[in-house]
Amino acid sequence: GQQLNQSPQSMFIQEGEDVSMNCTSSSIFNTWLWYKQEPGEGPVLLIALYKAGELTSNGRLTAQFGITRKDSFLNISASIPSDVGIYFCAGDTSSGSARQLTFGSGTQLTVLP
Amino acid sequence: GAVVSQHPSRVICKSGTSVKIECRSLDFQATTMFWYRQFPKQSLMLMATSNEGSKATYEQGVEKDKFLINHASLTLSTLTVTSAHPEDSSFYICSVVAGADTQYFGPGTRLTVL
Repeated sequence: GQQLNQSPQSMFIQEGEDVSMNCTSSSIFNTWLWYKQEPGEGPVLLIALYKAGELTSNGRLTAQFGITRKDSFLNISASIPSDVGIYFCAGDTSSGSARQLTFGSGTQLTVLP
Repeated sequence: GAVVSQHPSRVICKSGTSVKIECRSLDFQATTMFWYRQFPKQSLMLMATSNEGSKATYEQGVEKDKFLINHASLTLSTLTVTSAHPEDSSFYICSVVAGADTQYFGPGTRLTVL
């Protein structure tokens, strides 16, 4: 099956710094989704990407769907303590249904005051 | 507001008993829901696809007789872990596909089997 390589596995940054994480795959995906998960909670959708090359922002978050359709990145600008959590990318190979999601291994983000 | 709810949020049971977890779609009629399992410090693994009015589709390696799924209405799917054992202890999360082809997840259910 498809595999997503997410990096970095963990990050420790100072409050106010920018953050970047990415996911790559050898397979082509039709949809890329980025989620944030806090302890004891389900993943919360941050950004959804549906077209190759698409660049989408949600507040301080920006994500892009790679041109090759095999990668995506998520940037967080001016990090704050509440950004702490695990960020997952998820890719879907089915056409327009987000039904066959493959998840990355997650990036644990810690923001130091 | 929340799109998906789960009940209970936490459950502790004795080995050998069965546990039922409910997943409700609050804002959408969901013909399809998904059940995931997440072990500590790991990613989400899809267990099965719950189909309203028909049998669930299970991923390879997931025992359908152990993890019973019922999707009796467009807003409710249940997962029953039968004869639970300590190795079944995990975080179980459901999701629905809604809106622009996006999956929304429930808050999860923490199952601990003693």
